[in-house]
Amino acid sequence: GEDVEQSLFLSVREGDSSVINCTYTDSSSTYLYWYKQEPGAGLQLLTYIFSNMDMKQDQRLTVLLNKKDKHLSLRIADTQTGDSAIYFCAETGGYQKVTFGTGTKLQVIP
Amino acid sequence: AAGVIQSPRHLIKEKRETATLKCYPIPRHDTVYWYQQGPGQDPQFLISFYEKMQSDKGSIPDRFSAQQFSDYHSELNMSSLELGDSALYFCASSFIGQAILAKNIQYFGAGTRLSVL
Repeated sequence: GEDVEQSLFLSVREGDSSVINCTYTDSSSTYLYWYKQEPGAGLQLLTYIFSNMDMKQDQRLTVLLNKKDKHLSLRIADTQTGDSAIYFCAETGGYQKVTFGTGTKLQVIP
Repeated sequence: AAGVIQSPRHLIKEKRETATLKCYPIPRHDTVYWYQQGPGQDPQFLISFYEKMQSDKGSIPDRFSAQQFSDYHSELNMSSLELGDSALYFCASSFIGQAILAKNIQYFGAGTRLSVL
């Protein structure tokens, strides 16, 4: 079965880089995603990466995928207080459901 | 750009009542997914529909049912509500089309927060 794991908590200082890590077990994962959820709010799709890519950069966000180790990371450069939220790693094997990780709560200290 | 619309945003019900949640996908999206997120939990998949047919089923209780209509909107019907059904319910939509290896980028609505008292 699918399993997606993340560390529960990360604290960084404003202006530093944040790196949120995720491991998954489903080798048939086709797309891997990062979603952001602010308190009481919905899920915002931040970025995604196709399984045949190893890196994707989008402004302050960099996604790295190590398919051999089934490891995904999200780097946020110049982290701001507005980046404080829960970040969910997620995967899907095609047209199927999205399986979410446990979420990492990012706290940005001013 | 149009997003996924869910209604209502908040719903308060009592035990054993019924509730209906609605989801309007992004225009031209053909697939709808329902997820349930309990307090402090990650979202869990309930059920999905592709071209108005059920395409996958997750941990959806028998008390719940859902369907996708001809205009692609979807409704999640919940009966005999229990306290444990209190959660945030998300709908997501994507465009699958006829692709064998679909680009399944799921966009989520803001969610319906259901409180069962």
